[in-house]
This record gives sequence, structure tokens and C-alpha cells, in this order.
Amino acid sequence: AQTVTQSQPEMSVQEAETVTLSCTYDTSESDYYLFWYKQPPSRQMILVIRQEAYKQQNATENRFSVNFQKAAKSFSLKISDSQLGDAAMYFCACLMEYGNKLVFGAGTILRVKS
Amino acid sequence: GAVVSQHPSRVICKSGTSVKIECRSLDFQATTMFWYRQFPKQSLMLMATSNEGSKATYEQGVEKDKFLINHASLTLSTLTVTSAHPEDSSFYICSARPSASTSGEKLFFGSGTQLSVL
Repeated sequence: AQTVTQSQPEMSVQEAETVTLSCTYDTSESDYYLFWYKQPPSRQMILVIRQEAYKQQNATENRFSVNFQKAAKSFSLKISDSQLGDAAMYFCACLMEYGNKLVFGAGTILRVKS
Repeated sequence: GAVVSQHPSRVICKSGTSVKIECRSLDFQATTMFWYRQFPKQSLMLMATSNEGSKATYEQGVEKDKFLINHASLTLSTLTVTSAHPEDSSFYICSARPSASTSGEKLFFGSGTQLSVL
């Protein structure tokens, strides 16, 4: 089965601290793409970071970085120096079947405390 | 950046009527469009994948005759909820995958449509 699993329904982090959101996925394909999306209350989907499965180097976008473990099928998101504006629902997603299927995890609500 | 226009943003209709939701890529051609349904504080559930000029591929459990998807051009896909009932009330989101990407896969999302069936 092609699934994406986020095991943390909610996470909290203190402002300026670091938090890691977990994601695992299941696919038999060797080439696919992984994404983290942020969904604020407006419900607009915002791309946070993207990883190509054939690239071993972990993707980084400013305060956001991933720990991609292909063998373990794990794709966690680290947010450094957390800001109040980071508070949102975060979804992990996997684009598979040669780009014909984009599957999302259940989501993690991130709360940032001031 | 690339923009996907989804219209309408909100629609209220009577039970038994049909509602059409449009998803349009404004500055790129979309080979593939994904349609999702999202309940409050839940994940995006993939309903179907549509490729331009061919029939949509529906996920298991999604009624093809209920949720009609048309992808007649590289810039427009529509989702029609036929004979809508209150249980069809939900937030619907489309996502477009460009035909050509020079820097890896990118996906662009519409802003969503909140459907309320009375």
C-alpha cells in the first residue's frame, strides 16, 4: 500500500527553539518526491520544502531542513528558531507513480508558544 | 510564481443540485491535476487524478458518477458534484502539476472551495 504516516497529531515548541516533525512513507518505487506543506487557517497550501528521492543530500530552506532516510522510508522536518508564524498544520506528502499520485499524511498541528 | 485559480471559493447549494468547481492554471500548462477533499482538521484525501485528454483515475471508494472530473485542456480541470447531499459538504482543493519542469517536480495548489449543501 502507498501510504504516508505522521504519528504526531500535535506538537508544541517554544519560540526560538527547534522542533522536529516525523513522517514515514511506504512505496515500492525507487524514484519519487517528498514534500512538507504548511496549511495555515486560511487553508492555502504552502510548500515548505521538497526532496527528490534520488538525491542523498538533505534539502534545506532557510530555517527548515529535512532528515531523509531512504532505506528507512523516513522524512522528518526540522524547524529551527521557531517563530510564531510557523504555527499551522503541517502535512508530509509523497508524489509517486511517476507523478500520477500525490498522497498526504494525516497532518501535525504545530503550536508555537511565546 | 505559478498560480492556480480555483473557483468558486465558497458555494452553498440545495440538496439535489449539481455544483461545478473549476481549477485553472494561469501561467503554465498542467499535465496532471489532483482533486482532494478535506474535512475540518483532517488530511487531504485524494479523490482522483486527471490527465489532460484522458479519463480521470479515481481512488477507491470515490463514486465516479457522483464526482465528475473533466480535464479538457492543459489549463483547466473541473469537478462537478452531481445531485449534492449534505454529506458532500466539505472543502475541495485542486493541485496542478506542470507539463514541463526544469527543476524537479513542483505542484501548485488552488485556494480551495468550501461546499455547503443544505
